[in-house]
Amino acid sequence: EVQLLESGGGLVQPGGSLRLSCTASGFTFSTFVMNWVRQAPGKGLEWVSSITGGAERIFYADSVKGRFTISRDNSRNTLNLQMNSLRAEDTAVYYCAKAEYTGSDGGPGYWGQGTLVTVSS
Amino acid sequence: QSVLTQPPSASGTPGQRVTISCSGSSSNIEKNYVYWYRQLPGTAPKLLICRNNQRPSGVPDRFSGSKSGTSASLAITGLRSEDEADYYCATWDDSLRGRVFGGGTKLTVL
Repeated sequence: EVQLLESGGGLVQPGGSLRLSCTASGFTFSTFVMNWVRQAPGKGLEWVSSITGGAERIFYADSVKGRFTISRDNSRNTLNLQMNSLRAEDTAVYYCAKAEYTGSDGGPGYWGQGTLVTVSS
Repeated sequence: QSVLTQPPSASGTPGQRVTISCSGSSSNIEKNYVYWYRQLPGTAPKLLICRNNQRPSGVPDRFSGSKSGTSASLAITGLRSEDEADYYCATWDDSLRGRVFGGGTKLTVL
């Protein structure tokens, strides 16, 4: 059974940093694109970043480029999101999502339960 | 403003057929696979349709997806009260080099 468990969310001041992690199980982690998608309170879904299985290709939304860094440790089945220079508008539930298919089509299939990040003074 | 355009709301009565549209452009929907998700309040999104019209295992055949040109749609037949949720379309955008979501459609079962 596929499981994705996010951790690391919490309250942080504007300008601060936070590191999110997503621990995966139930599938061959290294063969799937992994994604971070966020949802601000009462708003829709917003894609944040994607990373291919071997980390050969990494993509970011313009809203987080230069501030967030996605990474993965295939030996530990873990996906990470380092978030720096956080702003109030980064406040959201952050979901880790596994691609539905192996290969280049990274469309999210299974989603974790999410972790809440609140940026506020 | 979302790159993909969905109606903010839709409604139907039990047993009815409802469709939700998703409008994009030549850099996203026309060239890439469309995915559809359902999200119940307070829960994570769940995949309903992948690769334009494929249903993952466990998704009832009441749900179907289609794509034509720069638009896609999700159809739900035999509407049930438990279908009341938010629905999102998503795809890859070649120009933006990123995944894009529609703004979401809130479906109400009257």
